[in-house]
Amino acid sequence: AQTVTQSQPEMSVQEAETVTLSCTYDTSESDYYLFWYKQPPSRQMILVIRQEAYKQQNATENRFSVNFQKAAKSFSLKISDSQLGDAAMYFCAYRRGETSGSRLTFGEGTQLTVNP
Amino acid sequence: EPEVTQTPSHQVTQMGQEVILRCVPISNHLYFYWYRQILGQKVEFLVSFYNNEISEKSEIFDDQFSVERPDGSNFTLKIRSTKLEDSAMYFCASRQAGGLGPTQYFGPGTRLTVL
Repeated sequence: AQTVTQSQPEMSVQEAETVTLSCTYDTSESDYYLFWYKQPPSRQMILVIRQEAYKQQNATENRFSVNFQKAAKSFSLKISDSQLGDAAMYFCAYRRGETSGSRLTFGEGTQLTVNP
Repeated sequence: EPEVTQTPSHQVTQMGQEVILRCVPISNHLYFYWYRQILGQKVEFLVSFYNNEISEKSEIFDDQFSVERPDGSNFTLKIRSTKLEDSAMYFCASRQAGGLGPTQYFGPGTRLTVL
């Protein structure tokens, strides 16, 4: 079974600084997707970024980028120029490639605090 | 921008009662999902639904749970006889089919409180 591990229950960063959230996963599949979702206090799950396993290039969305290390099964999220609105719980998630269903498997989450 | 909607936002019920949680997925999406998140814990998969049938379910999704797409827009989760441990946030998600849509988009959630 696939597992996702986030080893940092809590992280903090100063406003305008950069922070990296860690995620590792375990799978025997070669085709899969990885995601970072943000969950603010409202508890809505908001997609931050997606990475396809077949792509060597790391995904980037504005201030958010990932460091995808396929051999090491590592998928970290870097937030640059942190803003107060980035404060939230961040979940790393995994899903297999194009098969029926394709559930998301989530990590335990990292609570990010942004200090002014 | 299209979004997944869920009603109600908060449901309070007595143990043993039946509840129905409702979701309206994004209109051109074909895969639908329910997840739950017990307070302070990670998000857990319950069930996926495609082409009017369950395509995958977790061990959590026992006979007390059922899903239905009663019409062309709604997707529901029914819990037949609620237990205290069913108290959680329930999220609906949807995605497009095939290579067009690996991303699941989540609704705002329904907070279920079982007393």
